[in-house]
Amino acid sequence: ETGVTQTPRHLVMGMTNKKSLKCEQHLGHNAMYWYKQSAKKPLELMFVYSLEERVENNSVPSRFSPECPNSSHLFLHLHTLQPEDSALYLCASSHGVGAETQYFGPGTRLLVL
Amino acid sequence: GQNIDQPTEMTATEGAIVQINCTYQTSGFNGLFWYQQHAGEAPTFLSYNVLDGLEEKGRFSSFLSRSKGYSYLLLKELQMKDSASYLCAVHITDKLIFGTGTRLQVFP
Repeated sequence: ETGVTQTPRHLVMGMTNKKSLKCEQHLGHNAMYWYKQSAKKPLELMFVYSLEERVENNSVPSRFSPECPNSSHLFLHLHTLQPEDSALYLCASSHGVGAETQYFGPGTRLLVL
Repeated sequence: GQNIDQPTEMTATEGAIVQINCTYQTSGFNGLFWYQQHAGEAPTFLSYNVLDGLEEKGRFSSFLSRSKGYSYLLLKELQMKDSASYLCAVHITDKLIFGTGTRLQVFP
């Protein structure tokens, strides 16, 4: 059983909707990550949080808004998305930022209509 | 720029040995990860190589050559459950750069 959970597992939304993805880690880690996984493309790092502070923002459009209220929880707020944003969104955590092994959640499969 | 190459797909037979290659050209290098990802599931950690050479973990081994920018994942005694995508990721400073992954299908 994974120590990183994500909800919802599947989400369908229209371009005018607002929704949020939730990630929770039960591993006592201090770093959390959001990745986007599209078909036939590499995992793309979106955001990195270390001790609840954002330390990396990989030129992600502002329609994606992360939030890290504490070291165990990470949210990705979505608004006015585009169809090309349809993908698998993966959350991961690690002890610290850097060489530490990252542990992934099962992902949220997002479809934007 | 960062470039990590892996074959897109591979097939093999149950009980056989398969080698999945990964080549990289990156600005900086601290180590290389291999992850396994079954369809619809989370990527799971397989190995992390920092130094040149072969590291063995049961049926799985991972090799690294830093001078050649090359790694491979070797899977022995293949089982049907090994059908999955295998992701190569290079650790650079404080982030991982992933390849597109290799989808391995194991046939009986």
